[in-house]
Amino acid sequence: DVKVTQSSRYLVKRTGEKVFLECVQDMDHENMFWYRQDPGLGLRLIYFSYDVKMKEKGDIPEGYSVSREKKERFSLILESASTNQTSMYLCASSLHDRSPYSNQPQHFGDGTRLSIL
Amino acid sequence: DQQVKQNSPSLSVQEGRISILNCDYTNSMFDYFLWYKKYPAEGPTFLISISSIKDKNEDGRFTVFLNKSAKHLSLHIVPSQPGDSAVYFCAALRAGNMLTFGGGTRLMVKP
Repeated sequence: DVKVTQSSRYLVKRTGEKVFLECVQDMDHENMFWYRQDPGLGLRLIYFSYDVKMKEKGDIPEGYSVSREKKERFSLILESASTNQTSMYLCASSLHDRSPYSNQPQHFGDGTRLSIL
Repeated sequence: DQQVKQNSPSLSVQEGRISILNCDYTNSMFDYFLWYKKYPAEGPTFLISISSIKDKNEDGRFTVFLNKSAKHLSLHIVPSQPGDSAVYFCAALRAGNMLTFGGGTRLMVKP
């Protein structure tokens, strides 16, 4: 069965701190994604990665960076946390389809609720 | 500017009746549409999808309808069950396996 694991369910940090959110998948998926979920806005894509060492900006990358050193692990980094980054963060993975439009569904972790004080 | 919109933040339905969740989109380049279901404290799970070359896809109690000319899709759940109570997200797929999500609709199925 597909498993995407996010290291923390709840996290509280202070403004200005550097914050790391970790995500691991065990399905050997090429694609990995980071989203944030806010009420009324749904899920918004922050960054994604097609392969090790590769990263692409999503729709709202400002204030974030990512790291993918191993295929199974994708880390989201808040360089200097701010209160407007308080949110639910969701990691997802999927198989990579060579066609431009892949119908491979994304599999999500249970999320990390991050509060920045 | 939200390219995928779910205009009803919540919906309440009696058990056994039909639930209809709606979704509108603005970008005609979207090629696949998906519905995800999310329970509290869990990540979204994939429910059903439809290609833009089709107008209907059915999977058990779940049917998705696509009206390309109106840029509208809907998810029908028949019959609705209390276990269907969750937040439902409509999503559209664009090139590179990227999803654009709507804001979600909270469905409550009353016993």
